[in-house]
Amino acid sequence: QTVVTQEPSFSVSPGGTVTLTCGLSSGSVSTSHYPSWYQQTPGQPPRTLIYATNTRSSGVPDRFSGSILGNKAALTITGAQAHDDSYYYCVLYLSGDIWVFGGGTKVTVL
Amino acid sequence: QVQLVESGGGVVQPGRSLRLSCEVSGIIFSNHGMHWVRQAPGKGLEWVAAIWYDGSKKCYADSVKGRFTISRDDSKNTLYLQMNSLRVDDAAVYFCARDTGRYPADWGQGTLVTVSS
Repeated sequence: QTVVTQEPSFSVSPGGTVTLTCGLSSGSVSTSHYPSWYQQTPGQPPRTLIYATNTRSSGVPDRFSGSILGNKAALTITGAQAHDDSYYYCVLYLSGDIWVFGGGTKVTVL
Repeated sequence: QVQLVESGGGVVQPGRSLRLSCEVSGIIFSNHGMHWVRQAPGKGLEWVAAIWYDGSKKCYADSVKGRFTISRDDSKNTLYLQMNSLRVDDAAVYFCARDTGRYPADWGQGTLVTVSS
């Protein structure tokens, strides 16, 4: 069974930059996995940040960017702000027409 | 803008059934694939099922295959999830989401399912 991997947590200073990654337990992530990223705060539904690797969803500030870095998908937050303190999830579209979410990364801004 | 409203959650005993609904407005529902995604208390997101825009294909996570059925009624702009043989580990908030290109894009607020004897 394919597992999608994310770092459990990251800490970043206000104004700093952090890059989260999204990998596969076997193989490399590519654009054909349509990697997408979501932000979620407790008690709220997810908010779509990035879809299809690097396209920002409507209303998402350009501080958030998506890419492929090596064999993983990546979400970079540039100029982190206090309200970026949140959970971030990636999802990959896999063969067999299934989607698998990563375990999520808790980003702390302090 | 698109709105998705889930309903049908509640408390159910293990082994029983429940049907969730997701009413969609603000878009042409029949043009879009749809997903169900769940989140157990204190845990991460888990994709559950998807249905193609025309209902021609339905896909499921291994954890629910054979027990859950996704369906849609385009005349009612509504997505469904029939959940049978519920287990304690099916307890979660269930979100419906619109697909706009191989990813869940717009999300509802979720409906809580509790499985307990």
